[in-house]
Amino acid sequence: QKEVEQNSGPLSVPEGAIASLNCTYSDRGSQSFFWYRQYSGKSPELIMSIYSNGDKEDGRFTAQLNKASQYVSLLIRDSQPSDSATYLCAVNKRGGGSYIPTFGRGTSLIVHP
Amino acid sequence: EPEVTQTPSHQVTQMGQEVILRCVPISNHLYFYWYRQILGQKVEFLVSFYNNEISEKSEIFDDQFSVERPDGSNFTLKIRSTKLEDSAMYFCASSQESGSAHEQFFGPGTRLTVL
Repeated sequence: QKEVEQNSGPLSVPEGAIASLNCTYSDRGSQSFFWYRQYSGKSPELIMSIYSNGDKEDGRFTAQLNKASQYVSLLIRDSQPSDSATYLCAVNKRGGGSYIPTFGRGTSLIVHP
Repeated sequence: EPEVTQTPSHQVTQMGQEVILRCVPISNHLYFYWYRQILGQKVEFLVSFYNNEISEKSEIFDDQFSVERPDGSNFTLKIRSTKLEDSAMYFCASSQESGSAHEQFFGPGTRLTVL
């Protein structure tokens, strides 16, 4: 089982729609969850972090975490063409003495006008 | 706004040569990381560094790799004898928080090409 799984996509949504991106993880001891956006040829850019079960909203973005189901999601409201990118889910899983950041392969999002 | 910087942006080297990739983390951050991303693949953790020592390292980070914080600002990744399969983007990141929070901020990356 992969440590962090994401559907590679592409997920195609029309401008103004809600984009829903999903991620599952295998390590039940994981405590911290992150969503990054990565444009082609660029470095990952942090969008959201979430640590507790439930929803966390920041502008057009909402992260949702369900630790019992080992599931984290990102909703993007009012999607814009500039949101077109690869979205990376990252999970901090416990290592020997600290935490090991583990990334999924990412979901490609295309927002078409 | 403070940011992580990396040099060079692109490094071309011959197989078997040593390379040093440089990073300047955000000044008040305490945790430093190196990642690599092979073209078309996922971001892979290499190593984390805190209080002048390695906190965690992955299976990728073998004896060919080393990290150093030679002064108060730079954080370097050395690959002793490069292989073709070391060709990738290498990202440095830093974070301020302790514990598991670790919101990381990435530098722009160094593209390493091994010929």
